[in-house]
Amino acid sequence: DQQVKQNSPSLSVQEGRISILNCDYTNSMFDYFLWYKKYPAEGPTFLISISSIKDKNEDGRFTVFLNKSAKHLSLHIVPSQPGDSAVYFCAASNPGTYKYIFGTGTRLKVLA
Amino acid sequence: DVKVTQSSRYLVKRTGEKVFLECVQDMDHENMFWYRQDPGLGLRLIYFSYDVKMKEKGDIPEGYSVSREKKERFSLILESASTNQTSMYLCATRASGRAREQFFGPGTRLTVL
Repeated sequence: DQQVKQNSPSLSVQEGRISILNCDYTNSMFDYFLWYKKYPAEGPTFLISISSIKDKNEDGRFTVFLNKSAKHLSLHIVPSQPGDSAVYFCAASNPGTYKYIFGTGTRLKVLA
Repeated sequence: DVKVTQSSRYLVKRTGEKVFLECVQDMDHENMFWYRQDPGLGLRLIYFSYDVKMKEKGDIPEGYSVSREKKERFSLILESASTNQTSMYLCATRASGRAREQFFGPGTRLTVL
């Protein structure tokens, strides 16, 4: 049972436009969410996170939105740049555990 | 900066061989993790360790074992490699307490022939 789902395996966006990556989850006990970015042949790198007590967190061009009632989070990248082309994973965790459950990833391609 | 290193970037082994993947971190983190990444399946947790000599099974532990004799080192062992263990293996670490971020190593691309 996939508790964290990224239903879009790929997304293409024009440079300068907004990229929106989506993530849905089923476990209402999740209290912390993260986004990771992964280039080929490299390990994932942390991008941005959000606690379940917030509905928005912003860091430069990256904003994560959390809709708890819909069990949905999204990552907005504005403006998108070619260097943003990568696979993006969302991850979620329960309180009191050090484990994360990852989604299947979305491959973002930003076209110059 | 946290540094997580993995012993090999690329590895080719034969079916039935015993395979050791090593992960070393320099940030004194208590928690260490082994994942495998496969297309369409994302990152799946194999094992994790929350202290020296302590380990817990993740979601897909079958065919794997782990060893943590020192805090900075976490090894993943494939007792008898099989072709369905061909994958990208990623090690990660995380501090205990309020810090929630995991730091990943560069990964080992293992091919089992």
